[in-house]
Amino acid sequence: GQNIDQPTEMTATEGAIVQINCTYQTSGFNGLFWYQQHAGEAPTFLSYNVLDGLEEKGRFSSFLSRSKGYSYLLLKELQMKDSASYLCAVLDSNYQLIWGAGTKLIIKP
Amino acid sequence: NAGVTQTPKFQVLKTGQSMTLQCAQDMNHEYMSWYRQDPGMGLRLIHYSVGAGITDQGEVPNGYNVSRSTTEDFPLRLLSAAPSQTSVYFCASSYSEVLDYGYTFGSGTRLTVV
Repeated sequence: GQNIDQPTEMTATEGAIVQINCTYQTSGFNGLFWYQQHAGEAPTFLSYNVLDGLEEKGRFSSFLSRSKGYSYLLLKELQMKDSASYLCAVLDSNYQLIWGAGTKLIIKP
Repeated sequence: NAGVTQTPKFQVLKTGQSMTLQCAQDMNHEYMSWYRQDPGMGLRLIHYSVGAGITDQGEVPNGYNVSRSTTEDFPLRLLSAAPSQTSVYFCASSYSEVLDYGYTFGSGTRLTVV
């Protein structure tokens, strides 16, 4: 079966750095996405990785290793507004998105 | 530019009632889809469409119908509501199924079936 694993919840301190991991087992791979979802709101697109390596976008970076079935989202200089759920999703060989259950990130002052 | 517009935002139905969740996008996106989101689970695909006149089933299609008569609109119909359909529903669209620019999501419909 297809599976996306990410931690259920993480806590970090304002101004610090946090890494949210995602491991996947899917039938084929056509890209990995990270989305941010604030409570009660819709997911918003953060990043897309299809090749191995690190993609940096301001305070957010996303890493992919296809051989290990592994990705992480790195958030730097954490702000209170970064408190949200972070969703990992993989596009499989049929171009269907397989979603993880999300990681709830709690930022403390 | 409105993006993806979903209505209503909240709805309470009685078991057995039917209703339509509306979704419209103004970005000329070919690919549209409906998801449901339940606590502790990933988003699950209900139905999707790769263009006007073309629809297909996703992971959890039972109890739902869709149609795509225009590029802009992709309504989701609940045929006979059941408590198991209590969920948050999201409509999403993209330029293509490759999704390299990601999905744009609507704001969601929170549905409660009693």
